[in-house]
Amino acid sequence: EPEVTQTPSHQVTQMGQEVILRCVPISNHLYFYWYRQILGQKVEFLVSFYNNEISEKSEIFDDQFSVERPDGSNFTLKIRSTKLEDSAMYFCASSEAPTDQPQHFGDGTRLSIL
Amino acid sequence: QKEVEQDPGPLSVPEGAIVSLNCTYSNSAFQYFMWYRQYSRKGPELLMYTYSSGNKEDGRFTAQVDKSSKYISLFIRDSQPSDSATYLCAMSVLQGGKLIFGQGTELSVKP
Repeated sequence: EPEVTQTPSHQVTQMGQEVILRCVPISNHLYFYWYRQILGQKVEFLVSFYNNEISEKSEIFDDQFSVERPDGSNFTLKIRSTKLEDSAMYFCASSEAPTDQPQHFGDGTRLSIL
Repeated sequence: QKEVEQDPGPLSVPEGAIVSLNCTYSNSAFQYFMWYRQYSRKGPELLMYTYSSGNKEDGRFTAQVDKSSKYISLFIRDSQPSDSATYLCAMSVLQGGKLIFGQGTELSVKP
């Protein structure tokens, strides 16, 4: 069964550094999402992306964050000048179409900021 | 009032039991309702997806949505130890829109 693939599985970064989290969505999917889950808390929406532009973003998704689809298969989340509170699991999701298609998630990247 | 509320558990049941998991919500605009299962160190895995009110069945799983009460349920029949996981409810207003998740209920099915 097709799946969403995320790399790396675990990223350790020094505070203040930039980090790029990578995702390969399911191949025929057109809608892409990033969510995060801080340890012990709910999964939270960050951003949705369609047709090479942001569709919706949460208040968490400030100027520190950016997303990009650099080619036909990858979808990336860049976090600039990381902070301790950015430590979380980051999940990528994708869905096929706007009509009656749910979001499918990858296994996440655990981001640890030191 | 939280937008989506879900009892975090933990919930422990014997193998073969019927499990009932529930979420309540406050935003009457939610139309799309999902249940995801999450194993430790894994991403959410879609179990059930329903639109508006009603029931949906898939094998041992049944999802119910009662929009008048702002209440959704997931029933697991003949529960198995492999069902031990955290179950997340999620909902959205729009097709393809952001998902709002519950806290997740940790379920343990004992052999």
